[in-house]
Amino acid sequence: GDSVTQMEGPVTLSEEAFLTINCTYTATGYPSLFWYVQYPGEGLQLLLKATKADDKGSNKGFEATYRKETTSFHLEKGSVQVSDSAVYFCALRHSGGYQKVTFGTGTKLQVIP
Amino acid sequence: DVKVTQSSRYLVKRTGEKVFLECVQDMDHENMFWYRQDPGLGLRLIYFSYDVKMKEKGDIPEGYSVSREKKERFSLILESASTNQTSMYLCASSPFVKGLGETQYFGPGTRLLVL
Repeated sequence: GDSVTQMEGPVTLSEEAFLTINCTYTATGYPSLFWYVQYPGEGLQLLLKATKADDKGSNKGFEATYRKETTSFHLEKGSVQVSDSAVYFCALRHSGGYQKVTFGTGTKLQVIP
Repeated sequence: DVKVTQSSRYLVKRTGEKVFLECVQDMDHENMFWYRQDPGLGLRLIYFSYDVKMKEKGDIPEGYSVSREKKERFSLILESASTNQTSMYLCASSPFVKGLGETQYFGPGTRLLVL
């Protein structure tokens, strides 16, 4: 079945450091890929998405590129801020007819001043 | 602004009680979902619904049931709560979009403690 693997956390960075959170997936066909973010005490919200190979999703300075050859969708940001501290979830939606989304286990990011 | 609301942010129940978690969305979405979130396990799908009165089992449906009598409301029911159901419960909705790429919109979550 479909699965998403993302790097273990927590990740602790200093403000303005470069961020990479790795995500790889296993799926048949051509899934859509997502990054969701969960700020403390809140539900998840969509950060960015990509629906086909070589697409780049971007939002709020974050980027991720859909790499079919390496089945990866790594999240990057050039300069993190304290306000980016949150849990980040990689997810995929199968290309089949049903609407189910498979989530990774989440990576907690802590940015210190 | 899109909105998914959940009936409680925090809930404490006793073992064996019947528990109802309510979720309402105001976006006229066809799809609704219930997940539980546990440390180290991420989000696991309990049930989802793609239409009124329709439901599908997710990955961990045991011990749960759901009800969708109206399009905007999706209820999760714990028939007889047990301590291993202590968790954060997240509701989400999404539109039916032919093809790929639709976003799920999440509620703030209900943190349930079963004693």
